[in-house]
Formats: sequence, structure tokens, C-alpha cells
Amino acid sequence: NAGVTQTPKFRVLKTGQSMTLLCAQDMNHEYMYWYRQDPGMGLRLIHYSVGEGTTAKGEVPDGYNVSRLKKQNFLLGLESAAPSQTSVYFCASSYGQFSSVGNQPQHFGDGTRLSIL
Amino acid sequence: AQSVTQLGSHVSVSEGALVLLRCNYSSSVPPYLFWYVQYPNQGLQLLLKYTSAATLVKGINGFEAEFKKSETSFHLTKPSAHMSDAAEYFCAVTFSFGNEKLTFGTGTRLTIIP
Repeated sequence: NAGVTQTPKFRVLKTGQSMTLLCAQDMNHEYMYWYRQDPGMGLRLIHYSVGEGTTAKGEVPDGYNVSRLKKQNFLLGLESAAPSQTSVYFCASSYGQFSSVGNQPQHFGDGTRLSIL
Repeated sequence: AQSVTQLGSHVSVSEGALVLLRCNYSSSVPPYLFWYVQYPNQGLQLLLKYTSAATLVKGINGFEAEFKKSETSFHLTKPSAHMSDAAEYFCAVTFSFGNEKLTFGTGTRLTIIP
């Protein structure tokens, strides 16, 4: 049981390049999330999804796009990378409606370290 | 809006000493509160959670936290620090009715002095 798997683990991009980060979960979770972690700022929610085919904006969505074509996968795209997007990106997943499934917390992947030069 | 404040971005304790990491929350409705731990180059692991069943919550690795509504606090404690406790700790909050969006604090890095 792998849990939440993120690929790649590391990447260096040049300003203006594009790339896609992949998140896969094997726990049959309905909800998935993308966060970025920056020093002294904790984790901030970029986008999230409450089910296959749905996405919604989080706290810091600008410059990112997401897609949830399959329940187990959640993709985060950077169309034109900027140095301000240098960060560690975490994907997480959870069962769904918090109050109805025993208060299940989010499960996290190990992160993708992205540097934009 | 919900938020959490972690007092102290860095905390150092001696091995065997009490660990106390502070978290205060702000929420207009009853909160769900969590503590996560992050070891170097890893993702976040759940230490413990408060879901209104009991105010004193016990977690993994000997950690516990007490929910105090009057103080809007959810401080994390461990009676005796171990070298393996060195990590970054995050407090997080969400609402109790279908809001799965966790709001995280800025984190506290715990250093254990031999």
C-alpha cells in the first residue's frame, strides 16, 4: 500500500518553462489537495478536488492549474514557471466529507522540490 | 475565518526534558484540530487529532495535546524528549461541518540538545 505518491521528487526549471506534477493515491480517497510549503509560512493550499472531474481554488491558486480526470490522480500544472514558484509541493488526500467518515485527516505524499531559475 | 498561531518558530529542549509546543486557534464554529510532524525531506505525518470526543488527546510517539476552549489553545506536549523527536511540527485547524480544507500554522522546529 503506497499511500500518496508524488512524481517527480526533484526538478529544476528555467523561467518560462512548463511542467506537470503528478500525484497518485491508492486509498480510494475522494478528496485531493495540492499545497506549497515555503520557509516560515507553513503549508498553503493551492487547489483541491472533492471528486473526479472537479477542482476548486485554494488560498494561492494564481499561476497554477489542476486536473482530476481519474479519481486516483491529481495533476498540478505550471504553464509558465516563475522564480516565485520555487517551493516544496505536497499532495494530500482524504476520504471526503469530514463529519461523515469518522473525522479522517489528510494523508500526505513526500513532496516535490521544485526550483525555478 | 479559521486560523492557527504557533508561538515560537524554533524550540530547543534537552534530551529528557519536557516538550511544549504552543498552538492557539481562531474559529467561529467548533474546530477540529490536528498536530502533524515533518521529518527532514519527508511529508507530514499525523501525530494526533481533536474531534470533540475528549479534550485530552493522546497521539503517537508519546505526544499528547489538550484542547482548552477557554484559552482557544491546543498545545502539544511530551514528558521526556528523545533525540528522534527532532523535526518540524505543524498545528492545523478545520471546521466541523464538511470543510476539509486544513489551515496550517507556520510550524515550529524542535531541536533536541544531547
